[in-house]
Amino acid sequence: KAGVTQTPRYLIKTRGQQVTLSCSPISGHRSVSWYQQTPGQGLQFLFEYFSETQRNKGNFPGRFSGRQFSNSRSEMNVSTLELGDSALYLCASSRAGGTEAFFGQGTRLTVV
Amino acid sequence: GESVGLHLPTLSVQEGDNSIINCAYSNSASDYFIWYKQESGKGPQFIIDIRSNMDKRQGQRVTVLLNKTVKHLSLQIAATQPGDSAVYFCAVSGAGSYQLTFGKGTKLSVIP
Repeated sequence: KAGVTQTPRYLIKTRGQQVTLSCSPISGHRSVSWYQQTPGQGLQFLFEYFSETQRNKGNFPGRFSGRQFSNSRSEMNVSTLELGDSALYLCASSRAGGTEAFFGQGTRLTVV
Repeated sequence: GESVGLHLPTLSVQEGDNSIINCAYSNSASDYFIWYKQESGKGPQFIIDIRSNMDKRQGQRVTVLLNKTVKHLSLQIAATQPGDSAVYFCAVSGAGSYQLTFGKGTKLSVIP
């Protein structure tokens, strides 16, 4: 059974640009959550989607957005990138959300 | 809201010894608890979980203990091996919540 797949693995962007990250969940999982991981703040919840609906959102500015498609694949977008957005962005999938979440390898975003 | 604290950011153990990693949470309504292992360059890997209606759960070489009275969670690893070297995170969610709140992580180093 394939795990959670995130693409791309690495990205380098310039301040002010925007970026889109992709996540394909485990087959049969309908919930996708996104987390930001930095050395200083650790793992912080961004948002969670279930059946194409955002059910919960963390404490991040509106520059961070996401969506989920009918096949449960999800994307997150960060607009007007700032240096502080440099982080490992992790996607997790689960059947129902919150429980038994399985993570992908992450996308390492570097903003220069 | 929920906050998750950690007792020790680093832990060194001799190969073959048992390891105990601790975690404290703040919200007595927390319902679900997970331990993850994260190796360098990889996403968090699910180890074991426990619900609030239990106080102990065992897996292969791992045991999770939950003390709801003092809001404390621990992960015990038996016969620690070099391959157990990683950062270990506890994560907590509340009943009906779709997000996980993570602790800062404990870096476990196994001395051969």
